[in-house]
Amino acid sequence: DVKVTQSSRYLVKRTGEKVFLECVQDMDHENMFWYRQDPGLGLRLIYFSYDVKMKEKGDIPEGYSVSREKKERFSLILESASTNQTSMYLCASSSRLAGATGELFFGEGSRLTVL
Amino acid sequence: AQKITQTQPGMFVQEKEAVTLDCTYDTSDPSYGLFWYKQPSSGEMIFLIYQGSYDQQNATEGRYSLNFQKARKSANLVISASQLGDSAMYFCAMREGGNNNDMRFGAGTRLTVKP
Repeated sequence: DVKVTQSSRYLVKRTGEKVFLECVQDMDHENMFWYRQDPGLGLRLIYFSYDVKMKEKGDIPEGYSVSREKKERFSLILESASTNQTSMYLCASSSRLAGATGELFFGEGSRLTVL
Repeated sequence: AQKITQTQPGMFVQEKEAVTLDCTYDTSDPSYGLFWYKQPSSGEMIFLIYQGSYDQQNATEGRYSLNFQKARKSANLVISASQLGDSAMYFCAMREGGNNNDMRFGAGTRLTVKP
């Protein structure tokens, strides 16, 4: 069974803390994505990566960075968490071979609360 | 930049009736793919149906069908014979063919099926 695993379902952090959200996929997918989901705004793309060590900014990259040192792992980093980063974070992956037709496979999400 | 619009924040439907969830999109790329995802209260994103921009026929998957009107740039999801388990958030998404790496989502529609 294909799987995208996010390390934490729920996190509570303090303002100013450094936060790591980890995502691992076992499908040998080239593409990996981080989205943020907020009510009324849908899913907004933060960053995506199409290969190891490669990254592209999405629509809302400010305040975030990413790391892709291995093909199966894509990390989202909040260097200094702020309360407006309280949200649900979704990781996804897809196969480059599928091209534009390829669906995204999602993890279960990480709900982050910044106090 | 690609843009997805879902104008219905919430919809209600009676069990066993059909319902249409609206989605319009904007792109200048002639090659693109349109996707619908379901997100139940448990949070996981479930892929429902795909439509390619060059597909001549509307996509169907079981009780789901996609009413694709290319000239109007609309890709409405039709759910026939609604079931209580269809109550969820529904997201429309698009991926452009020239850039097969990123996918953008609409704000979502919350569907509630009434018994």
